[in-house]
Amino acid sequence: RKEVEQDPGPFNVPEGATVAFNCTYSNSASQSFFWYRQDCRKEPKLLMSVYSSGNEDGRFTAQLNRASQYISLLIRDSKLSDSATYLCVVPRSGTYKYIFGTGTRLKVLA
Amino acid sequence: ETGVTQSPTHLIKTRGQQVTLRCSSQSGHNTVSWYQQALGQGPQFIFQYYREEENGRGNFPPRFSGLQFPNYSSELNVNALELDDSALYLCASSLGTGVMETQYFGPGTRLLVL
Repeated sequence: RKEVEQDPGPFNVPEGATVAFNCTYSNSASQSFFWYRQDCRKEPKLLMSVYSSGNEDGRFTAQLNRASQYISLLIRDSKLSDSATYLCVVPRSGTYKYIFGTGTRLKVLA
Repeated sequence: ETGVTQSPTHLIKTRGQQVTLRCSSQSGHNTVSWYQQALGQGPQFIFQYYREEENGRGNFPPRFSGLQFPNYSSELNVNALELDDSALYLCASSLGTGVMETQYFGPGTRLLVL
């Protein structure tokens, strides 16, 4: 099993829709989690950090389910500008080594 | 913008050549991590430098090496280039090495090996 797994998508959704992605991780001792957004041919940019049960920032909500070892990212009222790849990051337990998922590609359609 | 810069932005090399990529970290950040991102994949950790010392390494061969300078800028060197080394190389700086530290990425160097 990969350390961090994501559905690569693409998820094609209409503007205004709510969409959710999951990311599963294998190490139950992981303490911190991150969602990064990556636009085509650009660098990853931090979207949200998750240290406890979850985090919310405007239209974006991240939730952590430790029992099932997954984190989710929910985007409400999708905008065209939300089209990007969303990378889940789980630092390897006890280390600084970021382990990235392959990313989930989102396309918001007009 | 993150304040992390990388040079060059693009590079074309041939097999067997050597390449040096450069990264300037965000002001105040003493830690730099390097990643390789192949097309359609997530970034893969190469190594990290903290206060001029290598602080850990991923599953990359010794021909991938690095340096960090007193001003915390960093270099990634790759010897004996192979076709599979074609990728986006990202550096990320952070305030420290803790697992809670957020890493801020530079724009990357796109390397093509022919």
